[in-house]
Amino acid sequence: DAKTTQPNSMESNEEEPVHLPCNHSTISGTDYIHWYRQLPSQGPEYVIHGLTSNVNNRMASLAIAEDRKSSTLILHRATLRDAAVYYCIHNNNDMRFGAGTRLTVKP
Amino acid sequence: GAVVSQHPSWVICKSGTSVKIECRSLDFQATTMFWYRQFPKQSLMLMATSNEGSKATYEQGVEKDKFLINHASLTLSTLTVTSAHPEDSSFYICSARSSGRYEQYFGPGTRLTVT
Repeated sequence: DAKTTQPNSMESNEEEPVHLPCNHSTISGTDYIHWYRQLPSQGPEYVIHGLTSNVNNRMASLAIAEDRKSSTLILHRATLRDAAVYYCIHNNNDMRFGAGTRLTVKP
Repeated sequence: GAVVSQHPSWVICKSGTSVKIECRSLDFQATTMFWYRQFPKQSLMLMATSNEGSKATYEQGVEKDKFLINHASLTLSTLTVTSAHPEDSSFYICSARSSGRYEQYFGPGTRLTVT
């Protein structure tokens, strides 16, 4: 069963920041939080992961709540190429995916 | 970044035949590989988890005799769909993870159509 809760869909305008939320209230102390995204007809792509501290990489930033029960993926400037389904998951050994959030980016 | 390939990218087979899908990690050693399938407009469904040299662990409801998984080396895992039927038509995706790492890297997927 999916252990995370994400909005089904979100919209953003091009070149604006996007904050994609995820609730993971059943997370255990050793679980990492992972984010992946999937473009149509492609395999998912790794975006970012973290444990407790906020993380930044060339693709995005990950903000993790202090109680770790939620996190937010931040795309600082959305582009049309960022339109995808974004999945957050947690559990280091059980990589089951929920329904994800379908992000639409409007030009 | 780490690269995972799948072969073939698409395949059409007749009902009753078997199809083998290969998943390779090209630039890292994959101690753990995952197999998923995805139906149109749905999320990925985990089918099985395999550790190199061990038998795969199948998710509930996935028939291990129908979906044969072999992970004999640190760079190759195969999924064989035996006696395929039209309802097995789907997008099959593998992913790989190296020892001590938590992120996984996905292959591009294999679209199977059974006629």
